[in-house]
Amino acid sequence: AQSVTQPDIHITVSEGASLELRCNYSYGATPYLFWYVQSPGQGLQLLLKYFSGDTLVQGIKGFEAEFKRSQSSFNLRKPSVHWSDAAEYFCAVGGNTDKLIFGTGTRLQVFP
Amino acid sequence: EAQVTQNPRYLITVTGKKLTVTCSQNMNHEYMSWYRQDPGLGLRQIYYSMNVEVTDKGDVPEGYKVSRKEKRNFPLILESPSPNQTSLYFCASKVGSGRVNYEQYFGPGTRLTVT
Repeated sequence: AQSVTQPDIHITVSEGASLELRCNYSYGATPYLFWYVQSPGQGLQLLLKYFSGDTLVQGIKGFEAEFKRSQSSFNLRKPSVHWSDAAEYFCAVGGNTDKLIFGTGTRLQVFP
Repeated sequence: EAQVTQNPRYLITVTGKKLTVTCSQNMNHEYMSWYRQDPGLGLRQIYYSMNVEVTDKGDVPEGYKVSRKEKRNFPLILESPSPNQTSLYFCASKVGSGRVNYEQYFGPGTRLTVT
């Protein structure tokens, strides 16, 4: 079955600390992977995507993610979190169709 | 500015009163989709459209209808809303149906409450 698992429902970090949000997927074909961010009261904004090539992808706002096929993971990282990064983060997987399968999201709280 | 717009942004209604949530995109995208977002469940696809006059069910289509008469518009219709349709709804669009290496663009969301 196709699925995305985000094991952390809620993460709290201090401003300036590093961040890693976990994402594991199950997909029968070549996966295309995405991270979206949803700020309070806003729609979803694409942070980064992986289709092929270099397994370390850079996104907006200083985020990066690493695709590890052997672990079926696509974890999101940021070296130093800012208070404005507080939001909900969604990992999603697609493939040879237009359909996206989303994880349940991780809510990030940032303390000053 | 390239964007997906939804109206209304907030709606409170009563059980059984038909409503329509509009979605429009100005990017000439072929593919459009509706999702609902519920706590702990993430986003689930309701319906999608590959192009004008081509629509199909997603994972949670019960209680919803859609139409795609024009490329830019993809309204979501609730003929007889029920409280279990209280949710946050997102419309999304994407270039080139079947062209997988493009991302979906999302609207700002419509928060619907059915009492």
